[in-house]
Amino acid sequence: EIVMTQSPATLSVSPGERATLSCRATQSLNSFLAWYQQKPGQVPRLLIYDTSTRATGVPARFSGSGSGTEFTLTISSLQSEDFAVYYCQQYNGWPLTFGGGTKVEVK
Amino acid sequence: EVQLVESGGGLVRPGRSLRLSCAASGFTVSSVHMSWVRQAPGKGLEWVSFLYSDGRTFYGDSVKGRFIVSRDDSKNILYLQMNTLRPEDTALYHCAKDLPGGRNLFPSWGQGTLVTVSS
Repeated sequence: EIVMTQSPATLSVSPGERATLSCRATQSLNSFLAWYQQKPGQVPRLLIYDTSTRATGVPARFSGSGSGTEFTLTISSLQSEDFAVYYCQQYNGWPLTFGGGTKVEVK
Repeated sequence: EVQLVESGGGLVRPGRSLRLSCAASGFTVSSVHMSWVRQAPGKGLEWVSFLYSDGRTFYGDSVKGRFIVSRDDSKNILYLQMNTLRPEDTALYHCAKDLPGGRNLFPSWGQGTLVTVSS
């Protein structure tokens, strides 16, 4: 099983600032890495797939990067609606696995 | 418009069975890859199973041998038969629709149905 580790567990950021979230895999993912956003009481929303492709309707302030086992989600200028929990997911191998999540909170 | 509506959750004793349903509209479940993903209360996301359009099935390690995913094409419904339930299966169960062509992703979600396994 590919284990996904996200860091930090909680990120405190002021609105308008840049947020950088990390996701590490125990083996190479061949770019098959996705990011999801989940707000309280809502279902997860697919933000990024194939490491850096934004899903339909996702604002350009969200960007993904990385390769091999190290990946990053960057939110260039945090808006009020971006405070949420973010999960990474690998789909390079079975079983599909998620990271434990990073909570982005208001500083 | 894609809509997914889960049902069938509830309180069940350990060791018993439960079948979840996911009624789909706006598309045909047999033409896409469909999955189940669960989230224990206050916890993260865990992938449970995938049913490919060609009928192939895949399961997470924690449910393999106990859960069975299937679909009824005539009713456009996805199912999850959960057997030998354990307390650690307690979670909100979501069905999800993959991207066209199948990527093993979860772009569209239902609101979920809560399963509680407790004596």
